[in-house]
Amino acid sequence: NAGVTQTPKFQVLKTGQSMTLQCAQDMNHNSMYWYRQDPGMGLRLIYYSASEGTTDKGEVPNGYNVSRLNKREFSLRLESAAPSQTSVYFCASSTATSNYYNEQFFGPGTRLTVL
Amino acid sequence: QKEVEQNSGPLSVPEGAIASLNCTYSDRGSQSFFWYRQYSGKSPELIMSIYSNGDKEDGRFTAQLNKASQYVSLLIRDSQPSDSATYLCAVSRPGYSTLTFGKGTMLLVSP
Repeated sequence: NAGVTQTPKFQVLKTGQSMTLQCAQDMNHNSMYWYRQDPGMGLRLIYYSASEGTTDKGEVPNGYNVSRLNKREFSLRLESAAPSQTSVYFCASSTATSNYYNEQFFGPGTRLTVL
Repeated sequence: QKEVEQNSGPLSVPEGAIASLNCTYSDRGSQSFFWYRQYSGKSPELIMSIYSNGDKEDGRFTAQLNKASQYVSLLIRDSQPSDSATYLCAVSRPGYSTLTFGKGTMLLVSP
């Protein structure tokens, strides 16, 4: 099992460009998440999908959109990138079936720089 | 605002010592507690989960939970330089699919 995979690993964009970050999991997990991590700010939730067909905003959703393509895949789109979106982006997944044993497993991350 | 607080550190301990990492949380409804280890430049890795008051041991790691005092701790026995990392505490409550993370404590283990 590959666990949670993310593409690309690194990306440099110019202000105003768009891109989609891809995430896939092979653990048959119901829930998937997108976080960003900035120095001194910790992990901040952008969007999540508690189950296939649903998406919800997290703490910092502005400037992002998501798509839960199927149970395995959850993508994050930046429509018009801004320098403030320079960050490390992590995708995670969890079973969260009972909302009790909510163990989340993270992908390797995407390091995004917006110039 | 649900909060999870951790001392940012760094916490410096010599090799072979016990490292004690602490975390407090504000939401009394929290029922699930997690410790993640994050090496520099890498993603968070789940190392311990605890759901009941008391201690839970896994190898050199012991998680301790006290819901009445709203704190959870992680003890690392026989600390090794390879334990040097940032440790993130996370909590969750029933009915919520999300975790609330602390900002992490950096641990440095010197040879």
